[in-house]
Amino acid sequence: NAGVTQTPKFQVLKTGQSMTLQCAQDMNHNSMYWYRQDPGMGLRLIYYSASEGTTDKGEVPNGYNVSRLNKREFSLRLESAAPSQTSVYFCASLSYRGSEQYFGPGTRLTVT
Amino acid sequence: DAKTTQPPSMDCAEGRAANLPCNHSTISGNEYVYWYRQIHSQGPQYIIHGLKNNETNEMASLIITEDRKSSTLILPHATLRDTAVYYCIVRVAGGILTGGGNKLTFGTGTQLKVEL
Repeated sequence: NAGVTQTPKFQVLKTGQSMTLQCAQDMNHNSMYWYRQDPGMGLRLIYYSASEGTTDKGEVPNGYNVSRLNKREFSLRLESAAPSQTSVYFCASLSYRGSEQYFGPGTRLTVT
Repeated sequence: DAKTTQPPSMDCAEGRAANLPCNHSTISGNEYVYWYRQIHSQGPQYIIHGLKNNETNEMASLIITEDRKSSTLILPHATLRDTAVYYCIVRVAGGILTGGGNKLTFGTGTQLKVEL
């Protein structure tokens, strides 16, 4: 039982490049989330997925797209990366009781 | 979700109890108090949550005042590994499909430093 996994762990992009951040959970949870965390700040929600086949915008969705590929996987895509998207990205899933969110280890993204 | 107020930083000696306060004066009747922590460079970790009764688990205790406007997270015997940012969050319980909150709203939390 690996919990929530994310790939890659680190990534450097040039402005305008695109990439997809991958997230998978093996806990059979319905709801999944993408957050970003800028230095010295709390987490901000980018997108979330209440269940397979549905996605919704969070607080800071601009510049991102998501795909809930199946129940296990929830990916985040940057179509044209900008320096303002330099951040640490965390994926999370929500327990059935709705009490705890389980977080992945994060992807550290730098856009130059 | 109701807003919370936490001190930006606290220090604690190893082996002593760490008491982290949180104010949530606008909490609604159906909102729970959750605590998470984030150890440097790692993803946040769930610690404990409660509605109005005090709660205890293997990690910590949560004391909620009778009027529910504030709470305290207690780490009974802090160790160096407890050095982290601690977040107090209030939200409706349950997942999105059951009418609960759709996200956690993280503030800036309390940086707890446990020292020898």
